[in-house]
Amino acid sequence: RKEVEQDPGPFNVPEGATVAFNCTYSNSASQSFFWYRQDCRKEPKLLMSVYSSGNEDGRFTAQLNRASQYISLLIRDSKLSDSATYLCVVNIAWAGNNRKLIWGLGTSLAVNP
Amino acid sequence: NAGVTQTPKFQVLKTGQSMTLQCAQDMNHNSMYWYRQDPGMGLRLIYYSASEGTTDKGEVPNGYNVSRLNKREFSLRLESAAPSQTSVYFCASTLRGGTTANYGYTFGSGTRLTVV
Repeated sequence: RKEVEQDPGPFNVPEGATVAFNCTYSNSASQSFFWYRQDCRKEPKLLMSVYSSGNEDGRFTAQLNRASQYISLLIRDSKLSDSATYLCVVNIAWAGNNRKLIWGLGTSLAVNP
Repeated sequence: NAGVTQTPKFQVLKTGQSMTLQCAQDMNHNSMYWYRQDPGMGLRLIYYSASEGTTDKGEVPNGYNVSRLNKREFSLRLESAAPSQTSVYFCASTLRGGTTANYGYTFGSGTRLTVV
């Protein structure tokens, strides 16, 4: 099983729609979680961290379910500019006391006019 | 603008040639990273520097070397390029990574490297 798994999509939605992505992780000791977005041929950019209690930033809501080991990203009122690949990132223990980030392969979202 | 600056943006090398990818950040971040991104493989860590003066291997260090020149700069060197090193390379930095890695990363715009 991959350490971080995402549905690659693509998700095709009309403008104004609500869309949700899930990401599952295998390491129960994972401590921190993030969503990044990556536009085609660009660098990843931090969208939001995911907190245990869930958190919201404008149209974006992130949730963490530790029992089921998944995180989710909900986008409300989708805009054309939301079209991108969304990367799920999990912080796991690695090499003794170190931690590292494990990156999912991403979920592709296309918002259509 | 504050951020992470990578050079060059594009490069074509012949097998066996060497080159250095440069990375600099002006956010006073302590930790810096080099990743490669390949289709179907996601981002993979090559080397990282948790703080000035330290460097450590990541998941895929073979064929690469790094230098943390100072707090701002972290370079990646390919001593003898191979076609398997054709990839997109990203430098990233964060306030404090290494043993914590709880902060988000800021990425440079990437270097598209082709080895023929």
